[in-house]
Amino acid sequence: GNSVTQMEGPVTLSEEAFLTINCTYTATGYPSLFWYVQYPGEGLQLLLKATKADDKGSNKGFEATYRKETTSFHLEKGSVQVSDSAVYFCALLGMEYGNKLVFGAGTILRVKS
Amino acid sequence: EAGVAQSPRYKIIEKRQSVAFWCNPISGHATLYWYQQILGQGPKLLIQFQNNGVVDDSQLPKDRFSAERLKGVDSTLKIQPAKLEDSAVYLCASSLGAGVYEQYFGPGTRLTVT
Repeated sequence: GNSVTQMEGPVTLSEEAFLTINCTYTATGYPSLFWYVQYPGEGLQLLLKATKADDKGSNKGFEATYRKETTSFHLEKGSVQVSDSAVYFCALLGMEYGNKLVFGAGTILRVKS
Repeated sequence: EAGVAQSPRYKIIEKRQSVAFWCNPISGHATLYWYQQILGQGPKLLIQFQNNGVVDDSQLPKDRFSAERLKGVDSTLKIQPAKLEDSAVYLCASSLGAGVYEQYFGPGTRLTVT
């Protein structure tokens, strides 16, 4: 079945540091890929998405590129801020009938000032 | 535009008791989802509704969990009787339709079963 694996956290960075959170997936066909963010006390919010190979999703300075050859969708940001502290979830949506979002376990990001 | 509303935000019950959660989706959203998020894990889909019909409930433990979406709007998720392993955050989400439409999540209900 479909599955998502993302790097374990917590990831602790200083403000303005470079961020990478790794995400790899297993799926049949050509799934759509997503990054969701969950700020403390809030629900999940869609951060960015990519629907086909080589697409780059971007939002709020974050970006991720759909790499079919390596089945990866790593999240990056050039300069993190304290306000980026949250839990980040990688997810996929398969294209077969009855598809549903499959989430990774989440990665906690802590940014220190 | 109002987001997805859920209540209560927190609930503590003893095992074998029953509990119900309520969700009000974004107006006009035909598809409604209930997810279970156990601490340290990603959300897992329990049930998906399209209007007031069930599309997918393959991962719903039907011996103790039930859900309904009357009139294709609000939804309730019930657990009876609760077990210790049901301690989790229960998330409701809605979208315009099924498939690649963006899902909008509510703040969740944190359930603790003692």
